[in-house]
Amino acid sequence: EIVLTQSPGTLSLSPGERATLSCRASQSVSSSYLAWYQQKPGQAPRLLIYGASSRATGIPDRFSGSGSGTDFTLTISRLEPEDFAVYYCQQYGSSPTFGQGTKVEIK
Amino acid sequence: QVQLVQSGAEVKKPGASVKVSCKASGYTFTSYGISWVRQAPGQGLEWMGWISAYNGNTNYAQKLQGRVTMTTDTSTSTAYMELRSLRSDDTAVYYCARAGDGVKPYWYFDLWGRGTLVTVSS
Repeated sequence: EIVLTQSPGTLSLSPGERATLSCRASQSVSSSYLAWYQQKPGQAPRLLIYGASSRATGIPDRFSGSGSGTDFTLTISRLEPEDFAVYYCQQYGSSPTFGQGTKVEIK
Repeated sequence: QVQLVQSGAEVKKPGASVKVSCKASGYTFTSYGISWVRQAPGQGLEWMGWISAYNGNTNYAQKLQGRVTMTTDTSTSTAYMELRSLRSDDTAVYYCARAGDGVKPYWYFDLWGRGTLVTVSS
């Protein structure tokens, strides 16, 4: 099983700032089969990024993904009030696994 | 509109079974797969398995093998997840999610249901 480790656990930032979230895999993720999700309290996750860097339908371009192999990054260029949430990475190159999540909170 | 509508909350006793439904609308059900993902209170996401709505093939997470069964009814565009021999640590919100093209069992999830809370308590 591929273990995904996200860092930091919590990111305290102000609206307008840049957020950089990391996801590291215990072994290489084949074909960059890495996705990112946003989850707000009481809601289902929402797909943001798939294939490591492709934005899902309707996702603003302030969200971007990058990386390959074992190291992946989600960047939010300028935080909007609605972006404060928990973010999960997920690999789907083998039996799917999720990272433990990064909470982006208002500073 | 394109959506997955799940059945309502359940309360079960340890050792019992639960069956959660997920009705798809707004897209061609048989062109995709459905995965089930659960989230224990205050915890992260755990993939449980996948079923192809195209041909009924399944792929289950190893830790749930033997306790979980996923099925579909293409006549009603509904997917089902049954979990048996329930334990207290099965208490979670259970999500269905659209996954892939109905052939590949491992994919990302681009459409989610709102979740079904299953509480296991004596």
